[in-house]
Amino acid sequence: GENVEQHPSTLSVQEGDSAVIKCTYSDSASNYFPWYKQELGKRPQLIIDIRSNVGEKKDQRIAVTLNKTAKHFSLHITETQPEDSAVYFCAASRGAAGNKLTFGGGTRVLVKP
Amino acid sequence: GAGVSQSPRYKVAKRGQDVALRCDPISGHVSLFWYQQALGQGPEFLTYFQNEAQLDKSGLPSDRFFAERPEGSVSTLKIQRTQQEDSAVYLCASSLARSLNNEQFFGPGTRLTVL
Repeated sequence: GENVEQHPSTLSVQEGDSAVIKCTYSDSASNYFPWYKQELGKRPQLIIDIRSNVGEKKDQRIAVTLNKTAKHFSLHITETQPEDSAVYFCAASRGAAGNKLTFGGGTRVLVKP
Repeated sequence: GAGVSQSPRYKVAKRGQDVALRCDPISGHVSLFWYQQALGQGPEFLTYFQNEAQLDKSGLPSDRFFAERPEGSVSTLKIQRTQQEDSAVYLCASSLARSLNNEQFFGPGTRLTVL
């Protein structure tokens, strides 16, 4: 089955700096890669996703890149703000058969003011 | 509109007790997923429904876990004879599409603590 590795497990950045989280996946049939943000005690919320037919997607301060050949994808957050502090999860899915998500282990991001 | 809701939000059970966790998906969402999230880890897939049909239960950790969605809307995850290792947050998610990659909307989860 699919295996998703996520690094780093914790990330501390100064407000205004950039944060980068990297994930690798094992199943070459995976074609959908969402990123979720989870604040303490709250539900995971989708912040951005990318499909395998594109290499990059951007939404304001958030961008995701995908390298299908290397089977890795990354989340980039620019101009970080204290409200970006949370746990971020990457995930991968095949798309068929209910498109269940396989999640990485999470990255705890702390933005210091 | 209303998002995915789950009840109860917190459940404490003594080892050996049975528990039932409820999920109300977003109205009209065909797909429904259950995930288990252990402390400090990412959610792990348990089972998937398309309408009332349980199409994938490969993630259920043992035969003590059972899920149903009899009318294709509300779903219940039941855990029999709970064990301490069952302690986790149980997340429900729903999605509109049947076979396309569409966003999964998560509920707030039920935090189960087995003493």
